[in-house]
Amino acid sequence: DTGVSQDPRHKITKRGQNVTFRCDPISEHNRLYWYRQTLGQGPEFLTYFQNEAQLEKSRLLSDRFSAERPKGSFSTLEIQRTEQGDSAMYLCASSLSGHRSYEQYFGPGTRLTVT
Amino acid sequence: AQRVTQPEKLLSVFKGAPVELKCNYSYSGSPELFWYVQYSRQRLQLLLRHISRESIKGFTADLNKGETSFHLKKPFAQEEDSAMYYCALFNFGNEKLTFGTGTRLTIIP
Repeated sequence: DTGVSQDPRHKITKRGQNVTFRCDPISEHNRLYWYRQTLGQGPEFLTYFQNEAQLEKSRLLSDRFSAERPKGSFSTLEIQRTEQGDSAMYLCASSLSGHRSYEQYFGPGTRLTVT
Repeated sequence: AQRVTQPEKLLSVFKGAPVELKCNYSYSGSPELFWYVQYSRQRLQLLLRHISRESIKGFTADLNKGETSFHLKKPFAQEEDSAMYYCALFNFGNEKLTFGTGTRLTIIP
């Protein structure tokens, strides 16, 4: 499968614990996006990278959230001191930069449950 | 600020009947609008974009700037059209894709 992959697919954690998710984009895509989706809502933009540079962050991304893309390939999203409100589906997407950057390819998502 | 509104959370249509999923947007610039679809147990995928004026799987969508709408239409619904549909607006300035809350379309056999 040459599409976007995410790991793990499901994560259950206790409140206060740290979690880290990984996203592997389509290999030739230089843009990588993170979204959060809660029940009954569409995906909400969190942040995006062009190569290794993080270019935009949503105000939804509190200080407990950090994202990295150290070598411009895979990316990690870490949530520290998780709260019940962090329970959601975390989606990753990738695209090429330029005039086709709107054409984003999504991964299957990581479903986080904070108990 | 950009916003996308999908007024219908659920829509049920009989097979063979016409389908229209509504989408309205607010955006100060020139909008780039898209429809994404998520079939059961599959990932979110791009269905169509207004700038290409294409028809995908029999679906079309016309951008109406006067009414700030981008409704998705299909003349004859098929069972395989049952899915979750999201309207989305892309802002080239900040590279953000803003999604609506989605409409779950169910085609009744």
